Amino acid sequence: QKEVEQDPGPLSVPEGAIVSLNCTYSNSAFQYFMWYRQYSRKGPELLMYTYSSGNKEDGRFTAQVDKSSKYISLFIRDSQPSDSATYLCAMRSNQAGTALIFGKGTTLSVSS
Amino acid sequence: SAVISQKPSRDICQRGTSLTIQCQVDSQVTMMFWYRQQPGQSLTLIATANQGSEATYESGFVIDKFPISRPNLTFSTLTVSNMSPEDSSIYLCSVVESRGDQPQHFGDGTRLSIL
Repeated sequence: QKEVEQDPGPLSVPEGAIVSLNCTYSNSAFQYFMWYRQYSRKGPELLMYTYSSGNKEDGRFTAQVDKSSKYISLFIRDSQPSDSATYLCAMRSNQAGTALIFGKGTTLSVSS
Repeated sequence: SAVISQKPSRDICQRGTSLTIQCQVDSQVTMMFWYRQQPGQSLTLIATANQGSEATYESGFVIDKFPISRPNLTFSTLTVSNMSPEDSSIYLCSVVESRGDQPQHFGDGTRLSIL
């Protein structure tokens, strides 16, 4: 079993739709959870950064962490064509400087 | 957040040669890392670049293949040595700007193809 599982998609939605992206993980030591957005030929751009369980909202984006289920989600409301990208989940333990463990990424396409 | 610049942005190399990738940050950062992103695979940490000392390598990566330097708090290099087609990948530099529980930020990467 891989440490982090993420459905690669592709996921295609119409403009304005609510998008749900998810990752599951197996290592209970993970405490910090991140979502990165990666456009073609660009590096990963940090979208959301959360600690432990709970929700965090930033504009149209909401990150949820359920440590009891080892499950994290990213919701995108009112999706836009500019949201078309690959979304990577990442996580690490409590020790600063430890490696980020990434999912493979989900490719999202939002059509106008 | 810090601006991270990588050079070259892409290159095509012959097998058996070596290439050095540079990572320059516009401010001093506490930690610098090198990752590899292979097609269809997760980003994988190669090593942590330590200022003034040898890098800390992850399992499966060795110094002879991926020598790393970090002479100061704003600059690091990764060399991919004796390249083979299996080294074709995107190589990414990431940084943590300050102490504490800060996230990692990434450069745009170096796209490397080996013929």
